[in-house]
Amino acid sequence: DTEVTQTPKHLVMGMTNKKSLKCEQHMGHRAMYWYKQKAKKPPELMFVYSYEKLSINESVPSRFSPECPNSSLLNLHLHALQPEDSALYLCASSQVAGGQPQHFGDGTRLSIL
Amino acid sequence: SQQGEEDPQALSIQEGENATMNCSYKTSINNLQWYRQNSGRGLVHLILIRSNEREKHSGRLRVTLDTSKKSSSLLITASRAADTASYFCATWQPNSGGYQKVTFGTGTKLQVIP
Repeated sequence: DTEVTQTPKHLVMGMTNKKSLKCEQHMGHRAMYWYKQKAKKPPELMFVYSYEKLSINESVPSRFSPECPNSSLLNLHLHALQPEDSALYLCASSQVAGGQPQHFGDGTRLSIL
Repeated sequence: SQQGEEDPQALSIQEGENATMNCSYKTSINNLQWYRQNSGRGLVHLILIRSNEREKHSGRLRVTLDTSKKSSSLLITASRAADTASYFCATWQPNSGGYQKVTFGTGTKLQVIP
């Protein structure tokens, strides 16, 4: 069982829909991350939150909007996505940001119709 | 070009054999980490080696780091079918904002045949 929980596991949405991905950890970690992973590729960093503040945005399009309501929760709000946004979205956490081992959830498989 | 490139891209071996995969990177690092990803799952942290270390062991895993060549290798000894997975190296570098960002290597897909 993973210590980082992501919901939903699968999501199919149209390009005009609004949906949210959720991530939760109870390890007391103060850094949380969103990654995008296409098939047969490595994870690509999207966002980093450190102590609930956004510290890194890797030039991600505004149709992806992260939110960190508290130290245990991380959301990714989706709006007006494109077919090329179909991918596995992974959430991870670490004790602090920068060089620490990360704990990953099993991801949300997102398909855009 | 990618910060971390791994070779081989794919490796197929018989159970019981050893598997070696390599990672090269471009900028200086504080540490290098190796992760495993089973199909359809998240990544699992395997081992971390610091820039002042040359070799580290954890169970059947042996990691080496050569900072002069900017390369690392992961050796899995006495492989098992359960080791079938993709393996990624990961390095951290400062970004323009002064924060540390992580980059994963291109990955090696290992298949262990029973």
